Amino acid sequence: QKEVEQNSGPLSVPEGAIASLNCTYSDRVSQSFFWYRQYSGKSPELIMSIYSNGDKEDGRFTAQLNKASQYVSLLIRDSQPSDSATYLCAVKGGGSYIPTFGRGTSLIVHP
Amino acid sequence: EAQVTQNPRYLITVTGKKLTVTCSQNMNHEYMSWYRQDPGLGLRQIYYSMNVEVTDKGDVPEGYKVSRKEKRNFPLILESPSPNQTSLYFCASSINGGDYGYTFGSGTRLTVV
Repeated sequence: QKEVEQNSGPLSVPEGAIASLNCTYSDRVSQSFFWYRQYSGKSPELIMSIYSNGDKEDGRFTAQLNKASQYVSLLIRDSQPSDSATYLCAVKGGGSYIPTFGRGTSLIVHP
Repeated sequence: EAQVTQNPRYLITVTGKKLTVTCSQNMNHEYMSWYRQDPGLGLRQIYYSMNVEVTDKGDVPEGYKVSRKEKRNFPLILESPSPNQTSLYFCASSINGGDYGYTFGSGTRLTVV
């Protein structure tokens, strides 16, 4: 059974701080890793994808992947109240059509 | 605008009354999928389709049917809904087997009484 684990939170950070969201996965042959943002009552929205070890930056978002440790993280710099949402980690193995989603981490950015 | 369109957004029905939730995408994506999302359980895949006339079961297929007669459409059918199918449903599509992530529809909140 492939598993993707996330701390459910809530993670509470002050406005302007760095929010760090973490995800671990069990399938060693996983090749594609994604972060989705989901506002309450809305659909998940893809915000970052990463495929190789290291960091990938896009604006205020940085995804970090460490395949040896089976760990992927999302950093949000200069957090804003509008970043308050649930962040879903998703992992997909090569050749598999079924991604595995974590249950999500709730982030609250307070003014 | 590139999008996945689901209908209806909200649906309340009674146990045993057949229903269909429609899903359509305008991005020419081969891959489409249905998920349900429940509190504490996260997103769980119901069925997926890799192309026209090609479908397969996901993690929780019991009580659901799908069809893929056209590339753009992927309806979800509940032939005899039960209260345990009360959930938030999402349709999603991808340009391939999901290697570049998914585009989700706006969701359908289904209540079966």
